[in-house]
Parts: sequence; C-alpha cells; structure tokens
Amino acid sequence: GQQLNQSPQSMFIQEGEDVSMNCTSSSIFNTWLWYKQEPGEGPVLLIALYKAGELTSNGRLTAQFGITRKDSFLNISASIPSDVGIYFCAGRSIQGAQKLVFGQGTRLTINP
Amino acid sequence: KAGVTQTPRYLIKTRGQQVTLSCSPISGHRSVSWYQQTPGQGLQFLFEYFSETQRNKGNFPGRFSGRQFSNSRSEMNVSTLELGDSALYLCASRRTGEDPSYEQYFGPGTRLTVT
Repeated sequence: GQQLNQSPQSMFIQEGEDVSMNCTSSSIFNTWLWYKQEPGEGPVLLIALYKAGELTSNGRLTAQFGITRKDSFLNISASIPSDVGIYFCAGRSIQGAQKLVFGQGTRLTINP
Repeated sequence: KAGVTQTPRYLIKTRGQQVTLSCSPISGHRSVSWYQQTPGQGLQFLFEYFSETQRNKGNFPGRFSGRQFSNSRSEMNVSTLELGDSALYLCASRRTGEDPSYEQYFGPGTRLTVT
C-alpha cells in the first residue's frame, strides 16, 4: 500500500531555533496536509497544500508541496515551547476521496 | 461551533468482547472517517461514511465495521476483540462539496485498551 516516509522521527531543539521536517512518497499525491497532535488530543490541521510547487504559510509555519508531487516539507521558525508535539504529514492521492495516508510523525521536543 | 465529539474517551475491554464507539461530527459535516492510531502502525484509515453509506474502506479485517445515521452521527464496532486492537480510535468529519479545501477535522479519540 501507499507509504509516507517522514523524517526525522524526533527532534530535540532549543527554544528560538528553526525546525524543518519532510515527507516523501513513492507515489504521487494531489494533496499534502500537515497536522499537529498533542497528548490526549486528535490531530489538528496546520496547513493544506493542493498544487505542486505551492508554498503556504500559517504564522511561523511554512509548508511546500514538492514539484514532483511526491514530497512536502514543513518549517517552523523561531520555535516556542507550545510548538511541542507530534507533527504528521498526510497525503491524498484521489481527488475528493477522504482516505488520508499518514507519515509516522516527527516528535518535537523544545528545551527552554 | 462545537468540534467533533467522541464517546467514550476511554474504554477497557476483555479479549473476545465487542465494543461500539460513537462519533458526532461538526454540525453541517456529512462525511465521517475513522482511523486507528497505534505506536507501531501509526495512523491508519479504517473507513469513511457519507449519507449513511460506506464510501471507502481501509485494509482491516471484517471484525471492524461501522455505520452512519441520518443525522450524520457515526458508530464503529469491533467484534471479537484482540489484544492488538488496543489503540486510539480517531473520528474525523468533513464538509462535503467540490472545494478541495474542505478538510477533515479530528475528534479527541477513544482510547481502547484490550486486556
């Protein structure tokens, strides 16, 4: 089945540092999504991307839909303690379908 | 606007039993999807319902089933529970339409422990 490779699996950074994580797929996706999940909660949508090459920002977060449609990255600038959590990429290969394929997640830990 | 609600939040069952989990979507959302989240397998798609019909199904055994009611509320059922069914079960709802930006919003999940 479809798989998303998300890296890194975990990150330990200092407050104020920038963060970068990415996802790659062996197949083409027409939608890339980035979610954040905190303990005891469901994933919360951060950024949605629908076109190859699209670059979208949400505050300190920036994500891009790769030109090949097989990858995406998420950057967080000037990290703060509330950025702690697990970040997931997700992809959709069929327009309009609801089945999302998720990456394994990147666990972000921030030292104040 | 209330978010997606799931009940119960926590559940402990014994191997061999069955369980029913409930999901109430955001008002106006007619599509409901279910996912299983485990440390080993991550987030995996179970199935999606729209207008009381299953539209898509993931690769799970027939012990996992679901349904949707006319008010868009959904339930999923797992029969003959196995230890490996212990997981966080997440429900997500979505407004339907041609706009691709109608994305899924997740509930807090039901934590199922099978002993």
